[in-house]
Amino acid sequence: GENVEQHPSTLSVQEGDSAVIKCTYSDSASNYFPWYKQELGKRPQLIIDIRSNVGEKKDQRIAVTLNKTAKHFSLHITETQPEDSAVYFCAASRGAAGNKLTFGGGTRVLVKP
Amino acid sequence: NAGVTQTPKFRVLKTGQSMTLLCAQDMNHEYMYWYRQDPGMGLRLIHYSVGEGTTAKGEVPDGYNVSRLKKQNFLLGLESAAPSQTSVYFCASAGGSPLHFGNGTRLTVT
Repeated sequence: GENVEQHPSTLSVQEGDSAVIKCTYSDSASNYFPWYKQELGKRPQLIIDIRSNVGEKKDQRIAVTLNKTAKHFSLHITETQPEDSAVYFCAASRGAAGNKLTFGGGTRVLVKP
Repeated sequence: NAGVTQTPKFRVLKTGQSMTLLCAQDMNHEYMYWYRQDPGMGLRLIHYSVGEGTTAKGEVPDGYNVSRLKKQNFLLGLESAAPSQTSVYFCASAGGSPLHFGNGTRLTVT
């Protein structure tokens, strides 16, 4: 089955700096890669996703890049703010409607004011 | 529109006891999932369903059973709880690719 590795497990950045989280996946058939943000005690919530026919996608301060050949994808947060502090999870699936997601282990991001 | 609702929110069980976690969604989604979340291990899939009356095993199914008798409900059962099942359990549903999560159930087995 699919295996998703996520690094780093913790990340501390100064407010205004950028944060980068990297994930690798093992199943070359995976073609859907979402990122979830989970605040303390809350549910995971989708913040951005990308499909394998696209190399990069941006949404305001958040961007995701995908390298299918190397089987890795990354989340970039620019101009970090204290409210970006949370745990972020990457995931991968074969992308058919409803196909099950395999998650990475998560990255705890702390934005210091 | 409540989305995905999980009950109960918290539960403490003694080893060997049984319980059922209920997940209900009002989005008419075909697909439903049960994940468990443990520190440092992300979310791991326990069981899932691709439609009413269907269930399938995920990554960590041992010690759990599920049922999907109605499209809107997905039940997770623990027949004989063990301390290793102490975790936060999340239900999710999907109509397309994005998963919509419930608020979670924090289960402690002593």
